[in-house]
Amino acid sequence: AQKITQTQPGMFVQEKEAVTLDCTYDTSDPSYGLFWYKQPSSGEMIFLIYQGSYDQQNATEGRYSLNFQKARKSANLVISASQLGDSAMYFCAMREDSHNNNDMRFGAGTRLTVKP
Amino acid sequence: EPEVTQTPSHQVTQMGQEVILRCVPISNHLYFYWYRQILGQKVEFLVSFYNNEISEKSEIFDDQFSVERPDGSNFTLKIRSTKLEDSAMYFCATHPRRGSNSPLHFGNGTRLTVT
Repeated sequence: AQKITQTQPGMFVQEKEAVTLDCTYDTSDPSYGLFWYKQPSSGEMIFLIYQGSYDQQNATEGRYSLNFQKARKSANLVISASQLGDSAMYFCAMREDSHNNNDMRFGAGTRLTVKP
Repeated sequence: EPEVTQTPSHQVTQMGQEVILRCVPISNHLYFYWYRQILGQKVEFLVSFYNNEISEKSEIFDDQFSVERPDGSNFTLKIRSTKLEDSAMYFCATHPRRGSNSPLHFGNGTRLTVT
């Protein structure tokens, strides 16, 4: 069963604007972590931001923030003041504490293009 | 900051040949993973490894695949007889402990091309 769903295969945003990348997840585990990674064209996986299931506040890291709506099981990534260098694939991922080996499962990704 | 190191960065091989992809985990990390990403597609879990044995493997990880940590440093993924559809980016990832509250540390990947 698909655990992480990213419904936007591609998104465009104007430079300096904000953009929201959607992510919904499915789990029955009360304890889990949600993550966003950036993958530029060079291919490496760059960790951006983490949200724990018990965290009361939305996570923020510089221009990245995570809009965590636990009841709706969504963990959308918000990028403020987009830059040309933000153009990349973005993956949402989850780790569940009840899962024996704690591996990370990924969504299909969203390709973000920042237009000048 | 310590890094996960993968070699080679790019490997080209002929169909039917064996390949070994190498990963040097961060030194105090105990949990090791291999992931595969076919070009332009999602990152797929292959296998996890802890305490010198496989803890879980996906349906992709068939008898053609194996993993080991022969010398306590390198963590290797072997594909016994490569197929065209094995062409992908292979990522090694590691983690120091159990728990969902921190990210996996990924290497930069090995791009495998099977011709």
